[in-house]
Amino acid sequence: DAGVIQSPRHEVTEMGQEVTLRCKPISGHDYLFWYRQTMMRGLELLIYFNNNVPIDDSGMPEDRFSAKMPNASFSTLKIQPSEPRDSAVYFCASSPGTEYRYFGAGTRLSVL
Amino acid sequence: QKEVEQNSGPLSVPEGAIASLNCTYSDRGSQSFFWYRQYSGKSPELIMSIYSNGDKEDGRFTAQLNKASQYVSLLIRDSQPSDSATYLCAVTINTGTASKLTFGTGTRLQVTL
Repeated sequence: DAGVIQSPRHEVTEMGQEVTLRCKPISGHDYLFWYRQTMMRGLELLIYFNNNVPIDDSGMPEDRFSAKMPNASFSTLKIQPSEPRDSAVYFCASSPGTEYRYFGAGTRLSVL
Repeated sequence: QKEVEQNSGPLSVPEGAIASLNCTYSDRGSQSFFWYRQYSGKSPELIMSIYSNGDKEDGRFTAQLNKASQYVSLLIRDSQPSDSATYLCAVTINTGTASKLTFGTGTRLQVTL
């Protein structure tokens, strides 16, 4: 398996624009997680899905953030409108259970 | 109090020495503990898991768990420059309805020649 695949690897956008991050989990993994990593706050869980259903979105910072998982092989994290404080590395991870995490390479987002 | 606490470092050790990385956690009911390694600009990767009190060894790595003191550590023997990375401690924290894997902010390790 190729592992968790994220795209794009880098995104530079202007404040107010919509940003969509994409993730393909490892085949057969029932859990998918979206994390955000910054120097100040470390690795924060934004939302996770089990069998394509959102289970816990308490980490989503505000209504500007939304995530979907239309099928077992694809998920998106959308920020609309984006703000400079959203600049961070966003990781997608998948897992066969609730404990282990297999991380994708991440998307480095810069909002100018 | 943070749920998972680590010293941010950097922790600097000479090549060949033992590196000792420490982590404390707040939830006395936590059952599962993990160490992830993250190279600069890369994603975290799992290197050790531990579930019961005591030591668990895997090659040059030893994880140590003391649930009474709410303390977990990672020892790296014969440290190599390639071990230079940030090490993230992760602990399952009970949220009432479920358990949630919570990461510390990491300790940066530098192995010097």
